[in-house]
Amino acid sequence: ETGVTQTPRHLVMGMTNKKSLKCEQHLGHNAMYWYKQSAKKPLELMFVYNFKEQTENNSVPSRFSPECPNSSHLFLHLHTLQPEDSALYLCASSQDPWTGILAKNIQYFGAGTRLSVL
Amino acid sequence: GNSVTQMEGPVTLSEEAFLTINCTYTATGYPSLFWYVQYPGEGLQLLLKATKADDKGSNKGFEATYRKETTSFHLEKGSVQVSDSAVYFCARLNNAGNMLTFGGGTRLMVKP
Repeated sequence: ETGVTQTPRHLVMGMTNKKSLKCEQHLGHNAMYWYKQSAKKPLELMFVYNFKEQTENNSVPSRFSPECPNSSHLFLHLHTLQPEDSALYLCASSQDPWTGILAKNIQYFGAGTRLSVL
Repeated sequence: GNSVTQMEGPVTLSEEAFLTINCTYTATGYPSLFWYVQYPGEGLQLLLKATKADDKGSNKGFEATYRKETTSFHLEKGSVQVSDSAVYFCARLNNAGNMLTFGGGTRLMVKP
């Protein structure tokens, strides 16, 4: 148990559906991240939030819409996805990435949501 | 830019064999380096880390040494077990401390 919980663990959706992925961290961290893990591709950073503010958007299509209502929760809203968006979506958190102190930069990952788009 | 290259798998070993998974990184500054492990059906778990040249990270019998001269952070274990079967990711942290760049992952399969 890493202290980062993702729900649901598995999700199947059609291309016209709207769904949301949820991530919750119980570590008191201030930064949260969304990653995409596709077969045969390196882990791709999608979004970074620090103290609820988005600090990185790694050229992600607008059909992915993140939301961070507080430092403990992070959502990824999905709409009109494509089959190539099928992947494992991982959430991570870190204590405070801007301090230069390694212990505060370490990212802790959830188990992921396995998404299949039909 | 920042990049991490690790050997492609899968790596298949017999139990108690010696393991090496190679990892090299681009040398922009002195990044912190990590190995993460992903067991089947799970997310990534931090395995070990190192912050500066000649640092050795170690955990659960795994070791990796930060080699500045060769920009490498190879993962080693003297005697692997079936339970070590997983995907291993090498990663570097950017200078700002807010972005990890991962290698492509190396799948390790250990047979009894």
